[in-house]
Formats: sequence, structure tokens, C-alpha cells
Amino acid sequence: DIQMTQSPSSLSASVGDRVTITCRASQGIGNYLAWHQQKPGKVPKLLIYAASTLQSGVPSRFSGSGSGTDFILTISSLQPEDVATYYCQKYNSAPLAFGGGTKVEIK
Amino acid sequence: EVRLLGSGGGLVQPGESLRLSCAASGFTFNNYAMSWVRQAPGKGLEWVSAIIGGGGNTNYADSVKGRFTISRDNSKGTLYLQINSLRAEDTAVYYCAKHSGTYYMYSVLDVWGQGTTVTVSS
Repeated sequence: DIQMTQSPSSLSASVGDRVTITCRASQGIGNYLAWHQQKPGKVPKLLIYAASTLQSGVPSRFSGSGSGTDFILTISSLQPEDVATYYCQKYNSAPLAFGGGTKVEIK
Repeated sequence: EVRLLGSGGGLVQPGESLRLSCAASGFTFNNYAMSWVRQAPGKGLEWVSAIIGGGGNTNYADSVKGRFTISRDNSKGTLYLQINSLRAEDTAVYYCAKHSGTYYMYSVLDVWGQGTTVTVSS
């Protein structure tokens, strides 16, 4: 089975900072990669799919890139409402695995 | 508006069984694959199982294979997860989620339900 590895597992940044989260697949998955955001105590929400396509309603400060095995989620200017845990997830084949998550906090 | 309403969770003893339900509304249910994803307390997301829109094809995580059964009643717009031989490590919030297409492969989880909590303890 393909494993998804995220780094870092947590980060702390200031409001306005550029934040990057990486996700690596153990085998190539094309661009079948999604990013989900889970705010504290809330239900997960789809942010990005097909590695770089923003879901409707998601602020443009979020962007995704990559293909094959290496992917990046970028928040161009961190806002207080972005405090959350972010998960990458592959969906090219079963099992539909998630990365371990990256917890983003405000410094 | 697309809505997914999970139910059926509770406190159960090890070895018991439970059936979770997820009532869907706001979209043509039989056109979309569905998944169950769980989250143990303080832990990350774990995909559990998926079923295609027509219901004829299913898939499971290795950790639940043989004990969990996913099914759907398209006439009622409802997704189910039958959980047998419950273990302490099955304690989690169980989310149902809609895929963006008929098949669970190549279609993303685009809508999540609010989750139902299963606690396994003696």
C-alpha cells in the first residue's frame, strides 16, 4: 500500500507569514492528491483537490502544487482563522490514505 | 445544500456490535460513492471503507477488514457501517463523506458529515 508522509507534524508562525507543508507519497499517485483542513473541534473540510485546484469558496491565499510523489500546500499569508490541522490524502486507488497531519498554530 | 447526518454511535462493550448510519440530502445519492473515515481521540484521520454509487463494489482498510461492512440503501439515501467484534482501538469519531464521483477511486472526498462517536469500553 502507498504511504503518505507529511512534514512538519506541527509548526508555529506569525500572522502574515508564508507557510508551507509538504506531503510525500511512497509511490507515484499522479495528481490525485487532496488537502483537507480540520479546525479545532470541527469537521474536516476539503481545501484543494487534483493537487492544485482550489475548492469553491476557499480563500486564494491557499495554493497547492506537485505531482507524482511530492506535493506542497502553501498559505501565502497566514491568518488567525487558518489555525487548524491540515491533512493530505491520496485518492488514485484504495486504500484512500491520509497523511499524519500538520498542526498549524499562531506564534 | 448537501447534508450528511451521521448517527448510531454510543458506548459499547468490547465484542459487541453497532450499526452506524449516515442520512444524505441535497444531492442525487446513488450517483456518488461514499466513504467512512474515523478519528481516534487526539489522533489523525484514518480512511475506513468506501462504496461505489451503485453499491456493488466496496473496499476496506486492512485494520477493519472482516469486521466492518459498508452498505447503502439508495432508495432511502442512507449509508451504513456495520461494526462487529468491537475493540478498544475502534474508539473514534466516525465521519461519513461524499465522493465527487460515482467511483471512490479518482474522486475526492468533497463533503463531510458531522460525525458520530463510538466508545468501546468495559
